[in-house]
Amino acid sequence: DQQVKQNSPSLSVQEGRISILNCDYTNSMFDYFLWYKKYPAEGPTFLISISSIKDKNEDGRFTVFLNKSAKHLSLHIVPSQPGDSAVYFCAAINTDKLIFGTGTRLQVFP
Amino acid sequence: EAGVAQSPRYKIIEKRQSVAFWCNPISGHATLYWYQQILGQGPKLLIQFQNNGVVDDSQLPKDRFSAERLKGVDSTLKIQPAKLEDSAVYLCASSLRRGFGAFFGQGTRLTVV
Repeated sequence: DQQVKQNSPSLSVQEGRISILNCDYTNSMFDYFLWYKKYPAEGPTFLISISSIKDKNEDGRFTVFLNKSAKHLSLHIVPSQPGDSAVYFCAAINTDKLIFGTGTRLQVFP
Repeated sequence: EAGVAQSPRYKIIEKRQSVAFWCNPISGHATLYWYQQILGQGPKLLIQFQNNGVVDDSQLPKDRFSAERLKGVDSTLKIQPAKLEDSAVYLCASSLRRGFGAFFGQGTRLTVV
């Protein structure tokens, strides 16, 4: 039972353009959503989060949008940089459980 | 501030052998998680501690996996006996309290041959 889904396993974007990573969830009880970034041979690092009572949170080049009615969130990276190339995981919190999606590999090319 | 420390970074064992992983969370973090990440998949929660008590171990294969968090600080995760399908990265994470985002260690890559 995959409660958090990332349906795109990979995404390729040109440097300077916008990267949009998508995430869908099934549990309406999630009250907090997070995005993590993972480089090879390293643990995931926290990137940005959003509370379920908000619909947008922005931090520099990163913006997370939440559409509760559609049970969908997205991470926008603009402008994309080669250093953004990594695997991005969407995660959700329900009470005290932190549940991850399957990840999307982003590649930013020059 | 020191991050989450894990050791070893890599481990190769034969099937049916036993192995143990160690985690030292960020100081003051009450919640500690162990995740298993198989190649190409997202991290799967194995066990969650709140201080030294278990909050959730519903996905821990208890016939072969065990974990403890003595004194509510460091934690160890053990596999005995290991199977080929246990090959994965084992990630430890901690958070200030339940419901907060977690900070991860670098993980231990286990290869069972």
